[in-house]
Amino acid sequence: AQKVTQAQTEISVVEKEDVTLDCVYETRDTTYYLFWYKQPPSGELVFLIRRNSFDEQNEISGRYSWNFQKSTSSFNFTITASQVVDSAVYFCALSPSSNTGKLIFGQGTTLQVKP
Amino acid sequence: DTAVSQTPKYLVTQMGNDKSIKCEQNLGHDTMYWYKQDSKKFLKIMFSYNNKELIINETVPNRFSPKSPDKAHLNLHINSLELGDSAVYFCASSQGGDWTREQFFGPGTRLTVL
Repeated sequence: AQKVTQAQTEISVVEKEDVTLDCVYETRDTTYYLFWYKQPPSGELVFLIRRNSFDEQNEISGRYSWNFQKSTSSFNFTITASQVVDSAVYFCALSPSSNTGKLIFGQGTTLQVKP
Repeated sequence: DTAVSQTPKYLVTQMGNDKSIKCEQNLGHDTMYWYKQDSKKFLKIMFSYNNKELIINETVPNRFSPKSPDKAHLNLHINSLELGDSAVYFCASSQGGDWTREQFFGPGTRLTVL
């Protein structure tokens, strides 16, 4: 089975708190890519990051960081010092090599950052 | 400069009608997709075209028919609309027919069937 699970349906934090969004994936493919997308209240889907299965280095981009661990099949996303503008639905997605471009999305995590 | 554009943004129609959603990308990408996002925000792929050729056709009612006149356009035509078709439809594109590349999404079309 190929699947992405984002167990946290909704998270609410106060501005400046750090928050981690969990993503667990399942695939039998040894080669795959993982993605995170952001969907703000305006509705568009914004690409955040792509990571391939052979690169377990953590990535940091400003206040955003990603932790990829193959041993636990997880690709978690942390926002440091959250801001109100981070309020959005965040999707983790899997693209296995056997799937010819079909992105498999998780259910999404709604993050609300309160002032 | 809009990378992936869709028209219309909102579409309200009666059951039984036929409607189309248009999508255009100016990124020079070879592959385009249609996704459906339901009321619970779940995103699922419907179709994918690479250089005007259909490469992904998920289990979608045949009332839905994609059409790609050229590699920059992928339109979605829906016949005999049903209440359950109400959703947000997203068009996306990516470079090459490459499963490794990120997909860039349009702004979405919110379809409401009454």
